Amino acid sequence: GENVEQHPSTLSVQEGDSAVIKCTYSDSASNYFPWYKQELGKRPQLIIDIRSNVGEKKDQRIAVTLNKTAKHFSLHITETQPEDSAVYFCAASTRGRDDKIIFGKGTRLHILP
Amino acid sequence: GAVVSQHPSRVICKSGTSVKIECRSLDFQATTMFWYRQFPKQSLMLMATSNEGSKATYEQGVEKDKFLINHASLTLSTLTVTSAHPEDSSFYICSARDDIGGQLVPGYTFGSGTRLTVV
Repeated sequence: GENVEQHPSTLSVQEGDSAVIKCTYSDSASNYFPWYKQELGKRPQLIIDIRSNVGEKKDQRIAVTLNKTAKHFSLHITETQPEDSAVYFCAASTRGRDDKIIFGKGTRLHILP
Repeated sequence: GAVVSQHPSRVICKSGTSVKIECRSLDFQATTMFWYRQFPKQSLMLMATSNEGSKATYEQGVEKDKFLINHASLTLSTLTVTSAHPEDSSFYICSARDDIGGQLVPGYTFGSGTRLTVV
């Protein structure tokens, strides 16, 4: 089955700087890659996603890149703000097949003042 | 947008008792729902896939007789933790696939989660 690796587990970034989180996946059939932000005790919130037919997607300060050949994808947050502090999870799914989402282990992002 | 309601948000139960958690899709039909468990400071681990009108599919290592899943309607899936023990204490969260008009829309909607404490 699918295995998603995520790095780093913890990331501290100065406010205003950029943060990058990287993930790899194992199942070449995976075709959908969402990223979630989870604050303490709350449900994961989708922040951006990308499908396998696209190499890059951007939404304001957040961007995601996908390299299907290497089976890795990354989240980029620019001009970080204090409210960006949270745990971020990457995930992979085979939409249209079993649809289940497999999550990475998460990255705890700290934005330093 | 699609909303998934999960109840209860918190429950404390005694060892040996059973606890039922409900997950409802409020404004869409969810033929498929997923149940996850999350231990403190860890990731969401998929427990099972719940399909309306059929038996759930459990992930490896998840005891189907301990975690009973029922998906009797297109808007409701339930997870029952039977004979709960302290090690079952965790954050349980459901999610539903957004499928409006046969078109899969981005994202999976999550319930708000249930924090189970077994004492």
